[in-house]
Amino acid sequence: ETGVTQTPRHLVMGMTNKKSLKCEQHLGHNAMYWYKQSAKKPLELMFVYSLEERVENNSVPSRFSPECPNSSHLFLHLHTLQPEDSALYLCASSLGLAGGHGELFFGEGSRLTVL
Amino acid sequence: QKEVEQNSGPLSVPEGAIASLNCTYSDRGSQSFFWYRQYSGKSPELIMFIYSNGDKEDGRFTAQLNKASQYVSLLIRDSQPSDSATYLCAVTLALQKLVFGTGTRLLVSP
Repeated sequence: ETGVTQTPRHLVMGMTNKKSLKCEQHLGHNAMYWYKQSAKKPLELMFVYSLEERVENNSVPSRFSPECPNSSHLFLHLHTLQPEDSALYLCASSLGLAGGHGELFFGEGSRLTVL
Repeated sequence: QKEVEQNSGPLSVPEGAIASLNCTYSDRGSQSFFWYRQYSGKSPELIMFIYSNGDKEDGRFTAQLNKASQYVSLLIRDSQPSDSATYLCAVTLALQKLVFGTGTRLLVSP
């Protein structure tokens, strides 16, 4: 496989469930990101990892817990979510941190619905 | 004031026309500017980036940057129905933070 792959593509969960989103990049990039995309809102940066170290956490509620075991894999662990957390969760990677000259490569996203 | 502002649209243009998409940003210190295209149900993909004042052309796409006016635009010449998508402007603000606008939906009618 090439590029950035995300699983699952669709997820429905109850407010008391625990689930995880997985992202894998095959591009040899050093930085990985989680973004949240809700209708009529800008892409919202949640977490940034550079060389497996978290470099940014944009005041995300603790019910979202990221994990980056190596530079190719990124997880987002979900627990006790709220219905307003329903959104498209996008993983992205870049060669360096995208704040500079980095181009972001996005996965296809995981569509999350919280009942 | 929003950090990156775009008109949500939809912007409707006939096939073959020039589509002009605009974006303004709040931070005068911004250095890098990007345009991403997002088809419905798909993820964003980078189509243009620009760092210096002026125009940058790539095929049918031209990015224009005016730092004095804090304005960046994307022109699509000879618009095709396949160009119908949401176009996201992204700007690097201070401290290397990349911020996206809400996007402009473009509809190109045959």
